[in-house]
Amino acid sequence: NAGVMQNPRHLVRRRGQEARLRCSPMKGHSHVYWYRQLPEEGLKFMVYLQKENIIDESGMPKERFSAEFPKEGPSILRIQQVVRGDSAAYFCASSDGGGQPQHFGDGTRLSIL
Amino acid sequence: KQEVTQIPAALSVPEGENLVLNCSFTDSAIYNLQWFRQDPGKGLTSLLLIQSSQREQTSGRLNASLDKSSGRSTLYIAASQPGDSATYLCAPGGGADGLTFGKGTHLIIQP
Repeated sequence: NAGVMQNPRHLVRRRGQEARLRCSPMKGHSHVYWYRQLPEEGLKFMVYLQKENIIDESGMPKERFSAEFPKEGPSILRIQQVVRGDSAAYFCASSDGGGQPQHFGDGTRLSIL
Repeated sequence: KQEVTQIPAALSVPEGENLVLNCSFTDSAIYNLQWFRQDPGKGLTSLLLIQSSQREQTSGRLNASLDKSSGRSTLYIAASQPGDSATYLCAPGGGADGLTFGKGTHLIIQP
């Protein structure tokens, strides 16, 4: 009964390092969404991907952030040259189609020293 | 741009009470609307999904209604229990894109 799996659960990086967050969708799901939850703020949509394609990246910061969902393996959210303001909880969700229910993982809590 | 408002921001009630959580959204051109709960340090658990053509959905003690034209949804919780304590999030969906979330209602059920 594998739901959406995110790892690591907690990630600590120093300013200027790279952070890689991984998400394995539910079995049978080919749609992946990434969201960010800043302290004291609501969840904000970042990017929507299908296998090998970025469908909507309207919520992604223009610099330092990138996402991929390769044909094989998990989806990766990559943050280069991290800054303190990147500290947040990053959630991944998956669905089996656009407009279908999204199922969320437990998130990765990123802390920047 | 879709904006979601949830009222109240926080609610504390004694166990056993029936309660209503409110959600309003500015863009009525939605495909569906999901209600979630979030426990501290955890991800989101989907509670109910209402398609845009539906008026309500029920699951156990939970009932969600949707008035798409007026941009409103309500989540009704019957006979509340301490285990219902969590943050409840409303998220209208535009279809093939990401969800827009409100800031949630932080609910505490007192034993």
